[in-house]
Amino acid sequence: QVRLQESGPGLVRPSETLSLTCSVSGGSVSPSFWTWIRQSPTKGLELIGYISYTATVNYNPSLKSRATISMDTSTNQFSLKLMSVTASDTAVYYCAKCSSVDCAGWFDPWGQGTLVTVSS
Amino acid sequence: EVVLTQSPATLSVSPGERATLSCRASESVGGSISWYQQIPGQAPRLLIYGTSTRATGTPRRFYGSGSGTEFALTITSLQSEDFAFYYCQQYYYWPYTFGQGTNLDI
Repeated sequence: QVRLQESGPGLVRPSETLSLTCSVSGGSVSPSFWTWIRQSPTKGLELIGYISYTATVNYNPSLKSRATISMDTSTNQFSLKLMSVTASDTAVYYCAKCSSVDCAGWFDPWGQGTLVTVSS
Repeated sequence: EVVLTQSPATLSVSPGERATLSCRASESVGGSISWYQQIPGQAPRLLIYGTSTRATGTPRRFYGSGSGTEFALTITSLQSEDFAFYYCQQYYYWPYTFGQGTNLDI
């Protein structure tokens, strides 16, 4: 069965770039769609965006073009970069597998999540 | 974007009882609703998709219903492991959105 694992720094300074990687095991990133979701006490669960194995991407407009999701099929990983972070970007970040094309469905499975704190 | 409003925020029930959690959408999302269970400290786990289809491993005591703007998750004969947070999600309109959750509490 497919398993996902997030990795990256747990502390990011304000105005800098948050970078996370999701490693997929037990299956290939092809031919599926993959997503990043975050969860905070203030905003709840929020979809950041998704990427396909062919690198087609779509982002939540609320991120105002700060997010970039990329795919590396050779390592079976996909990544998230979020620029110009502020304290409001502090959250647990999850990667997850989309159930269908264009991610037009539910998410299963999820990674365990990684807490990212934005603070100086 | 579509706003999903879950009610109640907290539902206190006893083991063996029945619980009904509500999810209301700000506009019609057809049947494009899924439900997740989250135990504190863990990632959300898919329970239900397509309004009423149980995901693999979801016990039969979990039942999803509704259409359009009104949806419900019913859990019959609550077990101790069912006390958790529950979230609905719509995947009809981009960006796909989640409700703010219901805490099912003893």
